[in-house]
Amino acid sequence: AQSVSQHNHHVILSEAASLELGCNYSYGGTVNLFWYVQYPGQHLQLLLKYFSGDPLVKGIKGFEAEFIKSKFSFNLRKPSVQWSDTAEYFCAVNPYTDKLIFGTGTRLQVFP
Amino acid sequence: EAQVTQNPRYLITVTGKKLTVTCSQNMNHEYMSWYRQDPGLGLRQIYYSMNVEVTDKGDVPEGYKVSRKEKRNFPLILESPSPNQTSLYFCASSRDGLSYEQYFGPGTRLTVT
Repeated sequence: AQSVSQHNHHVILSEAASLELGCNYSYGGTVNLFWYVQYPGQHLQLLLKYFSGDPLVKGIKGFEAEFIKSKFSFNLRKPSVQWSDTAEYFCAVNPYTDKLIFGTGTRLQVFP
Repeated sequence: EAQVTQNPRYLITVTGKKLTVTCSQNMNHEYMSWYRQDPGLGLRQIYYSMNVEVTDKGDVPEGYKVSRKEKRNFPLILESPSPNQTSLYFCASSRDGLSYEQYFGPGTRLTVT
């Protein structure tokens, strides 16, 4: 079945550590890609998105993601995390339909 | 302020008692959608609407109904709620389909006993 996979379910880091969260999808053809973040007790917010062009996209709060078409991946990165990055992160794929398919999410905990 | 509002934010109800969760956006967005969020399953799309009077099923539509009579409102209706519909529900809207950022509401936590 077509899907979006986030293999890291729970990541624990210390402040200043580097972060990479994996996202793989199984849809062929052209896709739009998103990363959303949900801070504790809050609603989802868009971190960044990729539609076309430069496969390295920069988002808010120092996050970036790289689209690797051959690997069907869209991994999220941040060189140095902060305690305030503690949140749940969702990868989402729009396979050029009217639907948006989310991954199961990765819970990130950052300790001071 | 541009926003998506949902009401109620919290609801505890009993099996079989019809309920409606309202969703309203003030951004004149064409596209609106409902999701449910469950632990370990992420967000799953229930229904979406491309415009007034145009709705379609998402991945988990069973047990839900929606309507889009006005552009700003997109209520979610549970005709006969069951315990497996206990979940956190989010409404979202975007300007015109999924090529644009979706704005999410604050969520409605529903418990069906």
